[in-house]
Amino acid sequence: QKEVEQNSGPLSVPEGAIASLNCTYSDRVSQSFFWYRQYSGKSPELIMSIYSNGDKEDGRFTAQLNKASQYVSLLIRDSQPSDSATYLCAVNPGNQFYFGTGTSLTVIP
Amino acid sequence: DAGITQSPRHKVTETGTPVTLRCHQTENHRYMYWYRQDPGHGLRLIHYSYGVKDTDKGEVSDGYSVSRSKTEDFLLTLESATSSQTSVYFCAISETGVATNEKLFFGSGTQLSVL
Repeated sequence: QKEVEQNSGPLSVPEGAIASLNCTYSDRVSQSFFWYRQYSGKSPELIMSIYSNGDKEDGRFTAQLNKASQYVSLLIRDSQPSDSATYLCAVNPGNQFYFGTGTSLTVIP
Repeated sequence: DAGITQSPRHKVTETGTPVTLRCHQTENHRYMYWYRQDPGHGLRLIHYSYGVKDTDKGEVSDGYSVSRSKTEDFLLTLESATSSQTSVYFCAISETGVATNEKLFFGSGTQLSVL
């Protein structure tokens, strides 16, 4: 079983809609969770981090964490074509960072 | 890219030749990492360093070695490149390692092709 699982997509949403990206992880002791955005041919860029159960909002982005269910999600409100990218979920159980394979998001104008 | 420079950006080499990739940081962060990214596998840790001359293996370290003689530079060497090492290589840094709340920041990557 992989440490971090993501639906590879592709996920397509119309411009202005809410995009919902999900991630599950296997290590129950994980304490730190991250979302990275990666444009094609570019490096991963950190967009959100979350450490406690519940929601964390930053602009159009909301990260949601549920440690009991071992999932973390990212909501992108008012999606823009510039949000089209691959989104990587990362988890740190305290010894190293584990990355999912990413979900490809396309926002259709 | 958080003061991280990778060189070269692109490299084409032949099977059996040695290859060295360089990562240079200006953030004075203690921890540096080398990852490779392949379709279907995501980012996988090759080696990391927790200080000058202090390094350790990651999950895919076979065929790779690293060196860190200065805080700002972390070198990844493929002793004898193989086609399976064709990949995109990312350097990353963090200030205090893998402690809770620590964040990773990535360099721009090196596309390596082994023919």
